[in-house]
Amino acid sequence: DTEVTQTPKHLVMGMTNKKSLKCEQHMGHRAMYWYKQKAKKPPELMFVYSYEKLSINESVPSRFSPECPNSSLLNLHLHALQPEDSALYLCASSQTGTAYEQYFGPGTRLTVT
Amino acid sequence: AQKVTQAQTEISVVEKEDVTLDCVYETRDTTYYLFWYKQPPSGELVFLIRRNSFDEQNEISGRYSWNFQKSTSSFNFTITASQVVDSAVYFCALGLRNTPLVFGKGTRLSVIA
Repeated sequence: DTEVTQTPKHLVMGMTNKKSLKCEQHMGHRAMYWYKQKAKKPPELMFVYSYEKLSINESVPSRFSPECPNSSLLNLHLHALQPEDSALYLCASSQTGTAYEQYFGPGTRLTVT
Repeated sequence: AQKVTQAQTEISVVEKEDVTLDCVYETRDTTYYLFWYKQPPSGELVFLIRRNSFDEQNEISGRYSWNFQKSTSSFNFTITASQVVDSAVYFCALGLRNTPLVFGKGTRLSVIA
C-alpha cells in the first residue's frame, strides 16, 4: 500500500480562524514532509519530520505549526493566515534519507479569505 | 550549487506521438539521486522513477523510458505513443545527502485527442 491520505481536500478559512490539516500513512515510513505548492510552481518544502522529530524547518512563518503525534500521523496547524498562504498543501512520506522516493498525498487546497 | 533545469515549460502533442521531456541537473556531489514525478490535474504527485548516480542504465516501463547520461548531466523522460491520460505536469528532482529534494520547475504536457 503506497497511499498517503490527507484531510480535508478543500478548506476555506478566514484570517482569524484556526484550522488543522491532517496527513496519514501506513507504509512504515519514518520521514514525513509538508510542502506548499502555488499554481504553476514546483512544491516548496516547509517541514521535515524524521522519527517523529522536527529535522527541517525551511524558515516557515510561525502561523504554520507542524506536529507529528506518532509515526503515521502528521498535522499542520494553521492560525492567523494571510491570503497569500492560499495554496495546495501536500504531505509526503518516505524512508529516511534523501535516497528514497517520497510518496505524496492528494493535497489540501487551502483558500484564505 | 544544486539545480534542476526543465527548459520546456509546456509541450503539446497529438495522441500517439512520442514526446521527450528534458531534465538537466547540476551538482558537485558524486552520490546523488534523480527522480521523476507526475502531477495530474487532481494535484497528487505520483512517483515514477528513481535513479542513483552510479547506475546509468536506461530504463523502460511500458510506454515510459528514461535516458540517464552523466556526461551531459541529463535524465530525460520519453513517453511513447502518448495518450490523453498522460496530460499532466512532470517534475524532475534531484536528491542529495543531507539536502532537501530539489525540484525542477516542471513541464506541462498536453496530449490532444
